Amino acid sequence: DTAVSQTPKYLVTQMGNDKSIKCEQNLGHDTMYWYKQDSKKFLKIMFSYNNKELIINETVPNRFSPKSPDKAHLNLHINSLELGDSAVYFCASSHPRSSYNEQFFGPGTRLTVL
Amino acid sequence: AQSVTQPDIHITVSEGASLELRCNYSYGATPYLFWYVQSPGQGLQLLLKYFSGDTLVQGIKGFEAEFKRSQSSFNLRKPSVHWSDAAEYFCAVAPDSSYKLIFGSGTRLLVRP
Repeated sequence: DTAVSQTPKYLVTQMGNDKSIKCEQNLGHDTMYWYKQDSKKFLKIMFSYNNKELIINETVPNRFSPKSPDKAHLNLHINSLELGDSAVYFCASSHPRSSYNEQFFGPGTRLTVL
Repeated sequence: AQSVTQPDIHITVSEGASLELRCNYSYGATPYLFWYVQSPGQGLQLLLKYFSGDTLVQGIKGFEAEFKRSQSSFNLRKPSVHWSDAAEYFCAVAPDSSYKLIFGSGTRLLVRP
């Protein structure tokens, strides 16, 4: 019955590697997001997709590439991982037309780059 | 540019005491306002939201918040704090023409037994 799910929950990897984080929502929402939470707990939006179309790209390095195969999925692929990419990444979804952009968040993926 | 300020990095209250967490926003019009809670190692859970109408909104877990347009504030309150309320609290703004949420820096609530 999980509304927004992410896999994996934890990801530990070496610098320079490429990794992906997957997100799925079963709420029937049109819009999905990726947020990054840094070590000081600050949350900042990275990307947003509406009906599989990219609508927000907040000056994120192009090593980060979101991919939305369908409305229910938004995956995040990261190339050439750097130490500064260590953070918790949250996926979220919303249905803006009916809920004033109330967003539902996944449990987060803690990425550690060594 | 829109911004959200939570002036208190952390607050400590005794169990059973009342609580108020402050949130101020900077935005030309009335935005959509939210409070989220993040328990340790967990995701974010929506506590309450304000879109329009009654400026005092009720949320889950006994929380409420009051929107004050004149002060550009949306402070979160709870009359009696429980130990399980210890968590990080985030105020957020959604400018009405945007899909994104702009978060404050969070306030960590510690509860003394």
